[in-house]
Amino acid sequence: NAGVTQTPKFQVLKTGQSMTLQCAQDMNHNSMYWYRQDPGMGLRLIYYSASEGTTDKGEVPNGYNVSRLNKREFSLRLESAAPSQTSVYFCASSEAIRRGSGNTIYFGEGSWLTVV
Amino acid sequence: AQSVTQLDSQVPVFEEAPVELRCNYSSSVSVYLFWYVQYPNQGLQLLLKYLSGSTLVESINGFEAEFNKSQTSFHLRKPSVHISDTAEYFCAVSRTTSGTYKYIFGTGTRLKVLA
Repeated sequence: NAGVTQTPKFQVLKTGQSMTLQCAQDMNHNSMYWYRQDPGMGLRLIYYSASEGTTDKGEVPNGYNVSRLNKREFSLRLESAAPSQTSVYFCASSEAIRRGSGNTIYFGEGSWLTVV
Repeated sequence: AQSVTQLDSQVPVFEEAPVELRCNYSSSVSVYLFWYVQYPNQGLQLLLKYLSGSTLVESINGFEAEFNKSQTSFHLRKPSVHISDTAEYFCAVSRTTSGTYKYIFGTGTRLKVLA
């Protein structure tokens, strides 16, 4: 039971390079998310996709783009990496976002990204 | 604006001692409350959650949390901790209103259990 799988696990980029973090879930969840985790700041939402075909900005979307490729996959792209984007990135999914939702969010194991 | 405050960034405690990790939230509407745990080099996983009903909720590994609406708190407790409980714990709240999604995490509390 894989749950939420994200790749790569580790990546070092040079400033200005681009890269895509891939994420797939096998739980037939409608909603998917990308978070970044930084020391002392907890988790911050970058983008989310409430359902297939929709994406919305979270708290810290600048410098990122996302694609909801299908129901299973949700990728995060850094077009021109900056040192401020050095972080641990988590992909996550949940059954749905809807009014009154108390859905559990399921997380991947994280991607450690360093921009030098 | 809705927020979640975890008052302690780090909590050291000796093995078999009790522990309380504090969480307060600010919201003028009903919310759902969660505690997630993150073990080293892993993603977060759900520990327990409060949706409705009994204000005391429990996890399978001995943690419990009590929803206190008047104090807007959802503190996490365990009467006797183990070395394996060493991890970072995140409090979170969620609600949806007018089609806007809100799922807010606190900044986390590092629990260090000492032998």
